[in-house]
Amino acid sequence: AQTVTQSQPEMSVQEAETVTLSCTYDTSESDYYLFWYKQPPSRQMILVIRQEAYKQQNATENRFSVNFQKAAKSFSLKISDSQLGDAAMYFCAYRSAAQGNKLVFGAGTILRVKS
Amino acid sequence: KAGVTQTPRYLIKTRGQQVTLSCSPISGHRSVSWYQQTPGQGLQFLFEYFSETQRNKGNFPGRFSGRQFSNSRSEMNVSTLELGDSALYLCASSPSGYEKLFFGSGTQLSVL
Repeated sequence: AQTVTQSQPEMSVQEAETVTLSCTYDTSESDYYLFWYKQPPSRQMILVIRQEAYKQQNATENRFSVNFQKAAKSFSLKISDSQLGDAAMYFCAYRSAAQGNKLVFGAGTILRVKS
Repeated sequence: KAGVTQTPRYLIKTRGQQVTLSCSPISGHRSVSWYQQTPGQGLQFLFEYFSETQRNKGNFPGRFSGRQFSNSRSEMNVSTLELGDSALYLCASSPSGYEKLFFGSGTQLSVL
């Protein structure tokens, strides 16, 4: 079964600084998607960024970028110029058509932003 | 467009009761998925419905069931509630299930 591991239960970053959240996953499939979701106190899951496994280029969305290392099965999220609004729980997730497109989530990382 | 709407936001039940949660997807979305979020187990997939048919199911006991109506609205039902069923239940919709998922704000269920 596919598993997603986030080894950092909690991270802190100073406002305007850069922080990297780690994620590793285990799969024998070659065709899959990886995601980072943000869950603020409102509880609504918000998609931050998405990476297709077949794409070698790392995805970027404004201040958010990923470092996708397919061979190492690593998918880290870098947040640049951190803002107070970035404070939330961040979840790494895996999805594949072979598994019926369900999302498999990691345990999450709480990100605190200090002003 | 309105987002994914889940009702109610909060629910308190006692052991042994049954509960029904509702999810209205974004207009035009035909796929609805349900996830359970607990501090101990994290986020776990319950099931997915597409065009009124259950297309995928997670590893939950038969007490957890769901259905989808012709307007794509979905309900999930939990019978014979147990204390461990206390959780945030999240619903997500997408046009066909293969695109970006849009989540609702969830229903927080407390079982006493």
